Amino acid sequence: DVKVTQSSRYLVKRTGEKVFLECVQDMDHENMFWYRQDPGLGLRLIYFSYDVKMKEKGDIPEGYSVSREKKERFSLILESASTNQTSMYLCASSLGTSVTDTQYFGPGTRLTVL
Amino acid sequence: GENVEQHPSTLSVQEGDSAVIKCTYSDSASNYFPWYKQELGKRPQLIIDIRSNVGEKKDQRIAVTLNKTAKHFSLHITETQPEDSAVYFCAASYNDMRFGAGTRLTVKP
Repeated sequence: DVKVTQSSRYLVKRTGEKVFLECVQDMDHENMFWYRQDPGLGLRLIYFSYDVKMKEKGDIPEGYSVSREKKERFSLILESASTNQTSMYLCASSLGTSVTDTQYFGPGTRLTVL
Repeated sequence: GENVEQHPSTLSVQEGDSAVIKCTYSDSASNYFPWYKQELGKRPQLIIDIRSNVGEKKDQRIAVTLNKTAKHFSLHITETQPEDSAVYFCAASYNDMRFGAGTRLTVKP
């Protein structure tokens, strides 16, 4: 059974703070993804990674960066949090190198930026 | 890039009725179409998927149909139950995966 975990379920930060969201998967998946989920907008891709130390921009990368130093861990970084980054953040992973592989999601982190 | 539109945004049905959610996509090269169910406060979970070489796929009360010519695909839930109440997301992918905005399904007992 695939397990994708995220470091926090709820997080409250102040404007300008640096924020780290961590995601870990235990199934040796190649691909990892970060999405944000907002009402009426569905899931929007922020960044993804096909391999260690590899990253690709998604649709809305502005204001975010990522790090993948180990295969099982994919971190999303908000360099200077802003109120418009208040959202639900979902991490996902998939097995192979094809985007047509099924993605498995973590439980999400609800981030509030005050 | 791919653009996925999903309708309706909300859907309310009586228990036992059928529910249909439709999605259209823009990139004719898309070849994988998953559907995810997200219950309140939980993570999205894959419920069914279809690939472009198949027109229909069924799994118990859930079915998905794909019309590649018209570039649309639909989720059909028959004999709905209250536990089917959730937000459902469609997605389409070729080079990358794009999600629809979601449909909030409410099944009234």
